[in-house]
Amino acid sequence: GAVVSQHPSRVICKSGTSVKIECRSLDFQATTMFWYRQFPKQSLMLMATSNEGSKATYEQGVEKDKFLINHASLTLSTLTVTSAHPEDSSFYICSAGGGAGNQPQHFGDGTRLSIL
Amino acid sequence: GQQVMQIPQYQHVQEGEDFTTYCNSSTTLSNIQWYKQRPGGHPVFLIQLVKSGEVKKQKRLTFQFGEAKKNSSLHITATQTTDVGTYFCAGPLGGGTSYGKLTFGQGTILTVHP
Repeated sequence: GAVVSQHPSRVICKSGTSVKIECRSLDFQATTMFWYRQFPKQSLMLMATSNEGSKATYEQGVEKDKFLINHASLTLSTLTVTSAHPEDSSFYICSAGGGAGNQPQHFGDGTRLSIL
Repeated sequence: GQQVMQIPQYQHVQEGEDFTTYCNSSTTLSNIQWYKQRPGGHPVFLIQLVKSGEVKKQKRLTFQFGEAKKNSSLHITATQTTDVGTYFCAGPLGGGTSYGKLTFGQGTILTVHP
């Protein structure tokens, strides 16, 4: 089945650091990928839609200058949390496989970000 | 805005008991999807329902989509310890038809006591 790989799985860093998270579709091309955020024991909240070759579309309340998304190829999207602060600590998950057609979402393993 | 509500938030059962989680949308959905997330893991796709009144089964799991396409349920018969996790329903964000851009319910955390 389709596989989405996300890296790194865990990041612990100091406040003010920028952190880059990669999301790769391993056996299919993804013109669209999605980035979600999940706080402990809460639901997934869509942050943005990553579009290959064009600007990402951000959901209301998500700062585009804070969460930079780049989707330079059909198999890779990156999310950079710039100048991260403790309130940015969360579980970030990407997904791919949806869009046009009857394709279910395949999620990456997620990245647990802890900002000290 | 569109909301997808899911109840209960928590469910504790003894192994062998049945379990049901319910999902309600404030708007009509073109489709609804169900995911399972194990503790510490990522959501894994279980099923999608598209047709009004649709019922699908996967072994001990039964999924239903309401006639009005605004509600859905997941029922597990005779739970096992391997069923532990959080079950999410999800529908297309903004009432669209995309299977990718999703709004998730709050999830039901299921614990099963052996």
